[in-house]
Amino acid sequence: AQKITQTQPGMFVQEKEAVTLDCTYDTSDQSYGLFWYKQPSSGEMIFLIYQGSYDEQNATEGRYSLNFQKARKSANLVISASQLGDSAMYFCAMRDIDRGSTLGRLYFGRGTQLTVWP
Amino acid sequence: DSGVTQTPKHLITATGQRVTLRCSPRSGDLSVYWYQQSLDQGLQFLIQYYNGEERAKGNILERFSAQQFPDLHSELNLSSLELGDSALYFCASSVGGGGAGDTQYFGPGTRLTVL
Repeated sequence: AQKITQTQPGMFVQEKEAVTLDCTYDTSDQSYGLFWYKQPSSGEMIFLIYQGSYDEQNATEGRYSLNFQKARKSANLVISASQLGDSAMYFCAMRDIDRGSTLGRLYFGRGTQLTVWP
Repeated sequence: DSGVTQTPKHLITATGQRVTLRCSPRSGDLSVYWYQQSLDQGLQFLIQYYNGEERAKGNILERFSAQQFPDLHSELNLSSLELGDSALYFCASSVGGGGAGDTQYFGPGTRLTVL
């Protein structure tokens, strides 16, 4: 079963506008972590933001915020005041405290390609 | 710059060959993870080492093996290479052994092309 679903293959936003990238997840665990990474065309994976399943407040890091809706199992990334340099692939990922041999691994979605236009 | 280093940056080789990818984690990080990114499969977890010991195993083929050395650097060995092994291989590191909030920081990746 797919653990992370990103339904938007591509998104477009104008510079200085806000954009929301969708992510839904599937887990039966109570304790898990949600992450967003950015992958520019150069290829590296850049950590953006983390949300723990027990965190009551939505995580924020500068222009990035995570809209965490536990009951809906969604963890959408909100980028405010978009910049041209935000154009990249964005990946949602989850780690659940699994039993057995998968402890520590991240499950990634297929990504959303964000394009910021002037 | 995440502080995780990977060498080489690019690798071109032929089918049937064997290659070794190297990773140095961030200073102070005890866990090293290997991931494979391909167009077909997306980002797939291969294996995790924590303080020199294998901690978790994912979709790693038997032709692939890894280890973490006492200085905590890690190597991923890929043998009997096939065309389908062409991918971007990432190493990531984290401080702990993989708790929910144990953030993984990724290296720049090694682009492997098998001809």
